[in-house]
Amino acid sequence: QVQLVESGGGLVKPGGSLRLSCAASGFTFSDYYMSWIRQAPGKGLEWVSYISSSGSTIYYADSVKGRFTISRDNAKNSLYLQMNSLRAEDTAVYYCARGKYRADYWGQGTLVTVSS
Amino acid sequence: EIVLTQSPGTLSLSPGERATLSCRASQSVSSSYLAWYQQKPGQAPRLLIYGASSRATGIPDRFSGSGSGTDFTLTISRLEPEDFAVYYCQQYGSSIFTFGPGTKVHIK
Repeated sequence: QVQLVESGGGLVKPGGSLRLSCAASGFTFSDYYMSWIRQAPGKGLEWVSYISSSGSTIYYADSVKGRFTISRDNAKNSLYLQMNSLRAEDTAVYYCARGKYRADYWGQGTLVTVSS
Repeated sequence: EIVLTQSPGTLSLSPGERATLSCRASQSVSSSYLAWYQQKPGQAPRLLIYGASSRATGIPDRFSGSGSGTDFTLTISRLEPEDFAVYYCQQYGSSIFTFGPGTKVHIK
């Protein structure tokens, strides 16, 4: 069965950095686009970034462009999100999700809290 | 950027009733790229409908999607207790995903 397990969340000060990881299993990871989607506490969903199966195509939401970097390691079945220059408004649960035009499987999420 | 608006914001219904949720786009959306998700408290969202009308794997047939262009609908034919949740529509276009703000379906 498809499993996506995020890790790396935590408390960080404004301006700090954090790297999220997502371990994938139960499918051929290298065949799929992958995304990061976030949800601020009590709020709706916001797509953050996606990466193509080979890593050659990458897009970011305007809100994180220039600060966040998505990457993947197909040999390790892993997806990453490097988050720099973090702001209070980046506080959210970050979900790893599979898919190009839609997110058909989601991880359980990892909480990132940006606060002094 | 295409903006999605969902209505109503909140729907109060009883088990067994029919739920009709609306998703309206600011510009035309390809039906192939319109999806619906369900989210329960403390859980990740779950894909219900993709391509505007195709049910995802394991989704009961009481869930159905319809629509085209700028107007899309998610219908739950007979609400079960486990269906009370928040529902989001989502579109993909011009390399960008956007989500609607959600409709909360709660027990009357």
